[in-house]
Amino acid sequence: AQSVTQLDSQVPVFEEAPVELRCNYSSSVSVYLFWYVQYPNQGLQLLLKYLSGSTLVESINGFEAEFNKSQTSFHLRKPSVHISDTAEYFCAVSELPWNSGGSNYKLTFGKGTLLTVNP
Amino acid sequence: EAGVTQFPSHSVIEKGQTVTLRCDPISGHDNLYWYRRVMGKEIKFLLHFVKESKQDESGMPNNRFLAERTGGTYSTLKVQPAELEDSGVYFCASRKRGSSYNEQFFGPGTRLTVL
Repeated sequence: AQSVTQLDSQVPVFEEAPVELRCNYSSSVSVYLFWYVQYPNQGLQLLLKYLSGSTLVESINGFEAEFNKSQTSFHLRKPSVHISDTAEYFCAVSELPWNSGGSNYKLTFGKGTLLTVNP
Repeated sequence: EAGVTQFPSHSVIEKGQTVTLRCDPISGHDNLYWYRRVMGKEIKFLLHFVKESKQDESGMPNNRFLAERTGGTYSTLKVQPAELEDSGVYFCASRKRGSSYNEQFFGPGTRLTVL
């Protein structure tokens, strides 16, 4: 079984400031790692993912996350946030299919971090 | 291409009543998932369909919840009878078939309030 901990439930920042949203996970097997974002009144959207390869992954809108296996972390960062980044961010993991005996890919989520960017 | 749609967007019912939530996945997506977020808690997996077959029901809370996917297209999630603790947002997601990773696309969710 896996679990995901998002240490901050709310993060208020000013526009153009840097931000880091923290995520730690626990799993006895290897996992894929994800960040999803939910903008107000919308569904969840995949922001970025780590499947394999380079431990630093980037999104098209300037976010990046780094997989740290020794610390079991996948923190999300952005050097300069915009008001439009205001949303709730969810960290999630999915067990690799060969561990679960098939291609289930069900997601285990953290509780979410509400990022509020103020002018 | 239309995304995942869910109906209704909001539902307010009284304890003991029945509610049916509907999810229409992206056309051609064999995999369909239901998740639920109770207020203040994490989004939790409920179950997974591959076409019309239930592959994993490990997250279903109890036998008051019944999910179906007749014909392998849209899915319904019925709660009967509803209890106060069933309040929350119910998300549906769909994914293409494939042995390698394919993204899960989420619907906007149905907010269920049980009074």
